[in-house]
Amino acid sequence: EAQVTQNPRYLITVTGKKLTVTCSQNMNHEYMSWYRQDPGLGLRQIYYSMNVEVTDKGDVPEGYKVSRKEKRNFPLILESPSPNQTSLYFCATREARNTGELFFGEGSRLTVL
Amino acid sequence: SQQGEEDPQALSIQEGENATMNCSYKTSINNLQWYRQNSGRGLVHLILIRSNEREKHSGRLRVTLDTSKKSSSLLITASRAADTASYFCATGLSYNTDKLIFGTGTRLQVFP
Repeated sequence: EAQVTQNPRYLITVTGKKLTVTCSQNMNHEYMSWYRQDPGLGLRQIYYSMNVEVTDKGDVPEGYKVSRKEKRNFPLILESPSPNQTSLYFCATREARNTGELFFGEGSRLTVL
Repeated sequence: SQQGEEDPQALSIQEGENATMNCSYKTSINNLQWYRQNSGRGLVHLILIRSNEREKHSGRLRVTLDTSKKSSSLLITASRAADTASYFCATGLSYNTDKLIFGTGTRLQVFP
């Protein structure tokens, strides 16, 4: 079954405590991306990756890091989380280069106190 | 502001009625996609329409695209309570084929 798996699904943490949200896909997709979803703002892209070792900033990259060492994994790293990073995060993947259908994970709800 | 903006922000209808949601965008696109999101869950792709297409159907879904007006509509016919969800349009930009920009969504409530 085609899957995009995110962990953790829920996390409450404190300001400044580094955390990583993992994303793994089993579809052999080259493209992977992270979005955050906030009320009234829709989905905003944080970072994306076209392939292994290739990452680019999206619209709201500040405060986040990513890496793409393997095709199937694309972790999102918050080195020093702040309360304004409280959000619902989604990892998404797709197959083709030209903005085809995105496959989303189930989301990771992060609260930073 | 967002590339894609949905209208209305919220819609409540009875089962069996049709639901129409609209999406307006600002810049040139090569495709427009519609996604559905059940509360707090991941988005699920519904349909993709390319810039050279005007209408597309998938089951009870009908999507239209008017590139001259930079707008699209999603029609769900004979709605069901299970259609209750948020619906998002997403535009694939023609000047950056790696980018897909999402609107803020329409929240649809279908009452049994």
